[in-house]
Amino acid sequence: GAVVSQHPSRVICKSGTSVKIECRSLDFQATTMFWYRQFPKQSLMLMATSNEGSKATYEQGVEKDKFLINHASLTLSTLTVTSAHPEDSSFYICSASKGGLYEQYFGPGTRLTVT
Amino acid sequence: AQSVTQLDSQVPVFEEAPVELRCNYSSSVSVYLFWYVQYPNQGLQLLLKYLSGSTLVESINGFEAEFNKSQTSFHLRKPSVHISDTAEYFCAVKGAAGNKLTFGGGTRVLVKP
Repeated sequence: GAVVSQHPSRVICKSGTSVKIECRSLDFQATTMFWYRQFPKQSLMLMATSNEGSKATYEQGVEKDKFLINHASLTLSTLTVTSAHPEDSSFYICSASKGGLYEQYFGPGTRLTVT
Repeated sequence: AQSVTQLDSQVPVFEEAPVELRCNYSSSVSVYLFWYVQYPNQGLQLLLKYLSGSTLVESINGFEAEFNKSQTSFHLRKPSVHISDTAEYFCAVKGAAGNKLTFGGGTRVLVKP
């Protein structure tokens, strides 16, 4: 139980285009989903927290207009990187939680490369 | 707010030798503590966690960690490592009343034959 998937696992896009990453909880309802960014050989940095049906809460320094997060259902959250640039290239990881004090279950990550 | 410090960025160790990964945290509130493992190009997998009760927690693959409140530490140990333990290990903390995880910088364990 508690499986989280991400799609795609890898994506390459051209500078200036937008790319959407999906995060799904496969066998539980995720009241809360989290999006992280991880640069090579570095730790995970929380980008935003999203609760189903509500606007995402972004961490300081994260541009909400650039990283659009939608959490329309209890099993799906999407992260759209708009007008991507090479500096947006990174490993994006989502996690899902049943909410409250329940632990987070992590997806396998999506490697984004912007050329 | 919480913070987590992993004192060692990289730990080389020989196969079947013991390993200890250090983790210290700071927090003004009660916390829950976690260790995650990340294999190359993969997401994070929960290794073990401390929520309450016994301060010594164990994983199914031989790792253990001890919560030490006075030293604000949650060090991870394994008495005998395998090649397959080569990975990145992250210590994380969550406030007891919150839902956000704060991660340490990670420790890369390289097990040598």
